[in-house]
Amino acid sequence: KAGVTQTPRYLIKTRGQQVTLSCSPISGHRSVSWYQQTPGQGLQFLFEYFSETQRNKGNFPGRFSGRQFSNSRSEMNVSTLELGDSALYLCASSLVGSGRPSTDTQYFGPGTRLTVL
Amino acid sequence: AQSVTQLDSHVSVSEGTPVLLRCNYSSSYSPSLFWYVQHPNKGLQLLLKYTSAATLVKGINGFEAEFKKSETSFHLTKPSAHMSDAAEYFCVVPNNNDMRFGAGTRLTVKP
Repeated sequence: KAGVTQTPRYLIKTRGQQVTLSCSPISGHRSVSWYQQTPGQGLQFLFEYFSETQRNKGNFPGRFSGRQFSNSRSEMNVSTLELGDSALYLCASSLVGSGRPSTDTQYFGPGTRLTVL
Repeated sequence: AQSVTQLDSHVSVSEGTPVLLRCNYSSSYSPSLFWYVQHPNKGLQLLLKYTSAATLVKGINGFEAEFKKSETSFHLTKPSAHMSDAAEYFCVVPNNNDMRFGAGTRLTVKP
């Protein structure tokens, strides 16, 4: 099976612009989660989508949004970019996603490196 | 809420010597636990996961981890380090609606 793919791999934007990142999950996986990784804050959960619905959301401002399509592909959008949004954005897919307790394994894509100037 | 603490931000070993990366968890029940590895400019790759079937879990590339409930630990070990093991390692626990990552341990392998 093909792994999780993310496009683009690298992106350079300027403050105030908006950006859209794309993630294609592993075939058959219905849950897609997004994470932001920075040297200072580490890996932080952004949100999770399952069957085209946002199921969970992390503690990020409303400038960060996402959506999921019927084929489980997902996009995340960041509007009004700030310098602090520079990060590696990781997408992860899993069969069923969140739940307590969850043994569902997340598989990660290579990430999109966003640089905001 | 579930959480994990990685006790070392950086571990340095010589090639061929054992590796020990430490992780303690906090949970009100026996959780699932994961170890992921991230090589530079790459995504995260699953090394192994614990799901209560067996306390000693074997993963890829010769890594294994032992779940110790009495110590609330899930340390990652490898008998003999290889240069290609140099990377960042993350201990992870599911927490209600998301996954909680440790701060990471950077493993350096010296020739």
